[in-house]
Amino acid sequence: DADVTQTPRNRITKTGKRIMLECSQTKGHDRMYWYRQDPGLGLRLIYYSFDVKDINKGEISDGYSVSRQAQAKFSLSLESAIPNQTALYFCATSGGTSGTDTQYFGPGTRLTVL
Amino acid sequence: AQSVTQLDSQVPVFEEAPVELRCNYSSSVSVYLFWYVQYPNQGLQLLLKYLSGSTLVESINGFEAEFNKSQTSFHLRKPSVHISDTAEYFCAVSRAGGYNKLIFGAGTRLAVHP
Repeated sequence: DADVTQTPRNRITKTGKRIMLECSQTKGHDRMYWYRQDPGLGLRLIYYSFDVKDINKGEISDGYSVSRQAQAKFSLSLESAIPNQTALYFCATSGGTSGTDTQYFGPGTRLTVL
Repeated sequence: AQSVTQLDSQVPVFEEAPVELRCNYSSSVSVYLFWYVQYPNQGLQLLLKYLSGSTLVESINGFEAEFNKSQTSFHLRKPSVHISDTAEYFCAVSRAGGYNKLIFGAGTRLAVHP
């Protein structure tokens, strides 16, 4: 079984709809991250969480919100989706507290906003 | 702040040929350096990382990267590529002593042809 899972894997929605992307991990890690991937731009950090009570904005948090329901679960919400939020979204986890730690990525959610 | 530039968006190469994927970074503080690989329809996974010590680091599948502080580079090389190496490769940095926030380059798509 995969250590980091994301649901749904694909989603098509319309402008203005509320969307939630979910991430679960079985690695026992405290740190979780949400990224979006756009062609030619690489991955950009949306939000990150060091533990259940610690949530921080990344470089592109506008239009997004997150919820850390438990150590193993970290959800990303788009309150009112817009077309330029069409992207591939990745959840990741890491176990340590320093910049040396490997991040483990889920398989991604492809979101299309019409 | 840190930034990463991957100098080639696409690199086509024939099987068994050598390849180099170029990565330059910018930072006013010490950094850790990473290469992640994304195979088709999958999430990212760590290929190799430089933290300290020997400037040449190797992966288990034959890739190597050399940290060059004077040129602020961390190029990825493989002497003989296989079809299975076809993937997108991302260079990333995190601030030494920081909180494991990765800054990614835009990615290089390696296409290995028979």
